[in-house]
Amino acid sequence: GENVEQHPSTLSVQEGDSAVIKCTYSDSASNYFPWYKQELGKGPQLIIDIRSNVGEKKDQRIAVTLNKTAKHFSLHITETQPEDSAVYFCAASEGTYKYIFGTGTRLKVLA
Amino acid sequence: DAGVIQSPRHEVTEMGQEVTLRCKPISGHNSLFWYRQTMMRGLELLIYFNNNVPIDDSGMPEDRFSAKMPNASFSTLKIQPSEPRDSAVYFCASSPPPGPFEQYFGPGTRLTVT
Repeated sequence: GENVEQHPSTLSVQEGDSAVIKCTYSDSASNYFPWYKQELGKGPQLIIDIRSNVGEKKDQRIAVTLNKTAKHFSLHITETQPEDSAVYFCAASEGTYKYIFGTGTRLKVLA
Repeated sequence: DAGVIQSPRHEVTEMGQEVTLRCKPISGHNSLFWYRQTMMRGLELLIYFNNNVPIDDSGMPEDRFSAKMPNASFSTLKIQPSEPRDSAVYFCASSPPPGPFEQYFGPGTRLTVT
Protein backbone atom coordinates (compact mmCIF):
# COMPACT_ATOMS: atom_id res chain seq x y z
CA GLY A 1 0.00 0.00 0.00
CA GLU A 2 0.83 3.68 -0.12
CA ASN A 3 3.38 5.13 2.30
CA VAL A 4 3.86 8.86 2.82
CA GLU A 5 6.87 10.37 4.57
CA GLN A 6 6.88 14.00 5.66
CA HIS A 7 9.79 16.22 6.69
CA PRO A 8 10.64 18.07 8.80
CA SER A 9 8.57 17.20 11.86
CA THR A 10 9.09 20.71 13.26
CA LEU A 11 10.04 23.93 11.53
CA SER A 12 10.66 27.35 12.99
CA VAL A 13 10.99 30.41 10.75
CA GLN A 14 11.14 34.13 11.28
CA GLU A 15 8.10 36.13 10.28
CA GLY A 16 8.42 37.12 6.64
CA ASP A 17 10.67 34.20 5.72
CA SER A 18 9.62 31.25 3.57
CA ALA A 19 8.79 27.76 4.80
CA VAL A 20 9.07 24.54 2.84
CA ILE A 21 7.64 21.16 3.84
CA LYS A 22 8.43 18.06 1.82
CA CYS A 23 6.65 14.75 1.34
CA THR A 24 7.49 11.57 -0.52
CA TYR A 25 5.12 8.82 -1.53
CA SER A 26 5.56 5.26 -2.70
CA ASP A 27 2.60 4.39 -4.94
CA SER A 28 3.07 5.61 -8.50
CA ALA A 29 -0.70 5.25 -9.01
CA SER A 30 -1.43 8.10 -6.56
CA ASN A 31 -2.95 10.99 -8.47
CA TYR A 32 -4.21 13.48 -5.89
CA PHE A 33 -2.18 15.27 -3.24
CA PRO A 34 -3.90 17.58 -0.73
CA TRP A 35 -2.34 19.67 2.01
CA TYR A 36 -4.12 20.36 5.28
CA LYS A 37 -3.52 22.94 8.02
CA GLN A 38 -4.61 21.99 11.52
CA GLU A 39 -4.76 24.58 14.27
CA LEU A 40 -4.96 23.60 17.91
CA GLY A 41 -8.36 22.22 18.79
CA LYS A 42 -9.66 22.37 15.23
CA GLY A 43 -10.17 19.99 12.36
CA PRO A 44 -7.78 19.78 9.39
CA GLN A 45 -8.47 22.51 6.86
CA LEU A 46 -7.81 21.89 3.17
CA ILE A 47 -5.50 24.69 2.03
CA ILE A 48 -4.30 23.56 -1.39
CA ASP A 49 -4.24 20.44 -3.53
CA ILE A 50 -2.64 19.23 -6.72
CA ARG A 51 -3.43 16.52 -9.21
CA SER A 52 -0.91 14.36 -10.97
CA ASN A 53 -1.33 16.08 -14.34
CA VAL A 54 -0.06 19.38 -12.92
CA GLY A 55 3.47 20.22 -11.77
CA GLU A 56 2.79 23.33 -9.71
CA LYS A 57 -0.14 25.22 -8.26
CA LYS A 58 -0.23 28.57 -6.46
CA ASP A 59 -2.76 30.31 -4.29
CA GLN A 60 -1.58 33.65 -2.97
CA ARG A 61 1.26 32.93 -0.50
CA ILE A 62 1.10 29.16 -0.76
CA ALA A 63 2.23 26.89 -3.55
CA VAL A 64 2.60 23.18 -4.07
CA THR A 65 4.99 21.44 -6.45
CA LEU A 66 4.83 17.85 -7.61
CA ASN A 67 7.58 15.70 -9.12
CA LYS A 68 5.94 12.47 -10.25
CA THR A 69 9.17 10.92 -11.43
CA ALA A 70 10.79 11.32 -8.04
CA LYS A 71 7.49 10.75 -6.20
CA HIS A 72 7.76 13.83 -4.05
CA PHE A 73 5.73 16.96 -3.49
CA SER A 74 6.31 20.08 -1.45
CA LEU A 75 4.40 22.91 0.20
CA HIS A 76 5.88 26.39 -0.01
CA ILE A 77 4.66 29.26 2.15
CA THR A 78 6.10 32.68 1.39
CA GLU A 79 6.08 35.80 3.57
CA THR A 80 5.10 33.76 6.61
CA GLN A 81 2.91 35.34 9.26
CA PRO A 82 2.24 34.34 12.88
CA GLU A 83 -1.19 33.02 11.89
CA ASP A 84 0.52 30.46 9.66
CA SER A 85 1.68 28.67 12.82
CA ALA A 86 -0.06 25.28 12.87
CA VAL A 87 0.49 21.62 12.06
CA TYR A 88 0.55 20.88 8.34
CA PHE A 89 -0.27 17.46 6.88
CA CYS A 90 0.37 16.20 3.38
CA ALA A 91 -1.58 13.30 1.94
CA ALA A 92 -1.52 11.09 -1.13
CA SER A 93 -4.50 9.31 -2.62
CA GLU A 94 -4.72 5.54 -2.55
CA GLY A 95 -7.35 4.13 -4.85
CA THR A 96 -10.41 6.28 -5.51
CA TYR A 97 -11.21 7.65 -2.07
CA LYS A 98 -8.53 6.95 0.53
CA TYR A 99 -5.87 9.34 1.71
CA ILE A 100 -2.63 8.25 3.27
CA PHE A 101 -1.51 11.09 5.52
CA GLY A 102 1.98 12.16 6.40
CA THR A 103 2.94 12.44 10.05
CA GLY A 104 2.64 16.23 10.16
CA THR A 105 4.95 19.24 10.43
CA ARG A 106 4.60 21.66 13.30
CA LEU A 107 5.35 25.11 11.88
CA LYS A 108 6.18 27.96 14.22
CA VAL A 109 6.44 31.45 12.83
CA LEU A 110 8.42 33.66 15.18
CA ALA A 111 7.41 37.30 15.38
CA ASP B 1 -21.86 28.37 4.18
CA ALA B 2 -21.98 25.94 7.05
CA GLY B 3 -19.16 23.45 7.16
CA VAL B 4 -19.29 19.94 8.53
CA ILE B 5 -21.02 19.96 11.90
CA GLN B 6 -20.12 17.52 14.66
CA SER B 7 -21.57 16.99 18.09
CA PRO B 8 -20.74 16.82 20.86
CA ARG B 9 -17.42 18.68 20.72
CA HIS B 10 -16.23 17.02 23.91
CA GLU B 11 -17.37 13.79 25.51
CA VAL B 12 -16.16 12.29 28.75
CA THR B 13 -17.52 8.91 29.67
CA GLU B 14 -16.71 5.94 31.84
CA MET B 15 -15.43 2.66 30.52
CA GLY B 16 -18.25 0.38 29.48
CA GLN B 17 -20.66 3.15 28.55
CA GLU B 18 -22.13 3.66 25.10
CA VAL B 19 -20.94 6.69 23.16
CA THR B 20 -22.62 8.18 20.10
CA LEU B 21 -20.93 10.78 17.94
CA ARG B 22 -22.92 12.75 15.39
CA CYS B 23 -22.12 14.37 12.06
CA LYS B 24 -23.94 16.58 9.59
CA PRO B 25 -22.05 16.76 6.28
CA ILE B 26 -21.96 19.80 4.02
CA SER B 27 -25.17 20.08 2.03
CA GLY B 28 -24.81 18.56 -1.43
CA HIS B 29 -21.86 16.37 -0.50
CA ASN B 30 -22.40 12.68 -1.20
CA SER B 31 -19.34 11.13 0.44
CA LEU B 32 -18.77 10.95 4.18
CA PHE B 33 -15.78 9.75 6.14
CA TRP B 34 -15.13 9.07 9.83
CA TYR B 35 -11.53 9.40 11.03
CA ARG B 36 -9.79 8.94 14.35
CA GLN B 37 -6.73 11.00 15.32
CA THR B 38 -4.25 10.04 18.02
CA MET B 39 -0.67 11.06 18.68
CA MET B 40 0.56 7.51 18.19
CA ARG B 41 -1.31 6.60 14.99
CA GLY B 42 -2.08 9.94 13.37
CA LEU B 43 -5.22 10.20 11.22
CA GLU B 44 -6.87 6.86 10.54
CA LEU B 45 -9.83 6.30 8.24
CA LEU B 46 -12.51 4.32 10.05
CA ILE B 47 -15.32 4.13 7.51
CA TYR B 48 -16.37 5.65 4.18
CA PHE B 49 -19.95 6.16 2.95
CA ASN B 50 -20.96 7.05 -0.57
CA ASN B 51 -24.58 8.07 -1.22
CA ASN B 52 -25.42 6.88 2.32
CA VAL B 53 -24.06 3.38 1.68
CA PRO B 54 -21.04 2.07 3.62
CA ILE B 55 -18.38 1.32 1.04
CA ASP B 56 -15.33 0.58 3.18
CA ASP B 57 -15.41 -0.19 6.89
CA SER B 58 -12.06 -1.96 7.01
CA GLY B 59 -10.69 0.69 9.36
CA MET B 60 -13.27 0.10 12.07
CA PRO B 61 -11.11 -1.30 14.84
CA GLU B 62 -13.50 -3.73 16.48
CA ASP B 63 -17.09 -4.86 16.57
CA ARG B 64 -17.60 -2.37 19.38
CA PHE B 65 -17.58 0.33 16.70
CA SER B 66 -20.52 0.85 14.36
CA ALA B 67 -21.56 3.63 11.99
CA LYS B 68 -24.78 4.52 10.23
CA MET B 69 -25.89 7.05 7.66
CA PRO B 70 -29.71 6.98 7.57
CA ASN B 71 -29.90 9.94 5.17
CA ALA B 72 -27.74 12.35 3.23
CA SER B 73 -27.55 14.87 6.07
CA PHE B 74 -26.77 12.75 9.11
CA SER B 75 -24.36 10.09 10.28
CA THR B 76 -23.51 8.53 13.63
CA LEU B 77 -20.51 6.68 14.98
CA LYS B 78 -21.27 4.51 17.99
CA ILE B 79 -18.89 2.83 20.40
CA GLN B 80 -20.38 0.22 22.71
CA PRO B 81 -18.93 -0.58 25.16
CA SER B 82 -16.30 2.14 25.29
CA GLU B 83 -12.76 1.49 26.54
CA PRO B 84 -9.98 3.87 27.63
CA ARG B 85 -7.99 3.11 24.48
CA ASP B 86 -10.82 4.61 22.43
CA SER B 87 -9.84 8.04 23.76
CA ALA B 88 -9.01 10.16 20.72
CA VAL B 89 -10.34 12.95 18.53
CA TYR B 90 -12.92 11.71 16.04
CA PHE B 91 -13.41 13.66 12.83
CA CYS B 92 -16.12 13.52 10.26
CA ALA B 93 -15.33 14.71 6.72
CA SER B 94 -17.45 15.09 3.62
CA SER B 95 -16.70 15.34 -0.06
CA PRO B 96 -18.70 16.69 -3.03
CA PRO B 97 -19.57 14.79 -6.19
CA PRO B 98 -18.19 13.58 -8.46
CA GLY B 99 -15.45 13.25 -5.87
CA PRO B 100 -14.59 11.98 -3.44
CA PHE B 101 -11.22 13.67 -3.59
CA GLU B 102 -11.56 17.00 -1.76
CA GLN B 103 -12.42 16.14 1.81
CA TYR B 104 -13.65 18.82 4.21
CA PHE B 105 -13.27 18.07 7.87
CA GLY B 106 -15.46 18.99 10.80
CA PRO B 107 -14.17 20.39 14.09
CA GLY B 108 -13.97 16.96 15.70
CA THR B 109 -15.21 15.35 18.89
CA ARG B 110 -12.65 14.86 21.64
CA LEU B 111 -13.56 11.62 23.41
CA THR B 112 -12.13 10.74 26.79
CA VAL B 113 -12.97 7.35 28.28
CA THR B 114 -12.00 6.98 31.94
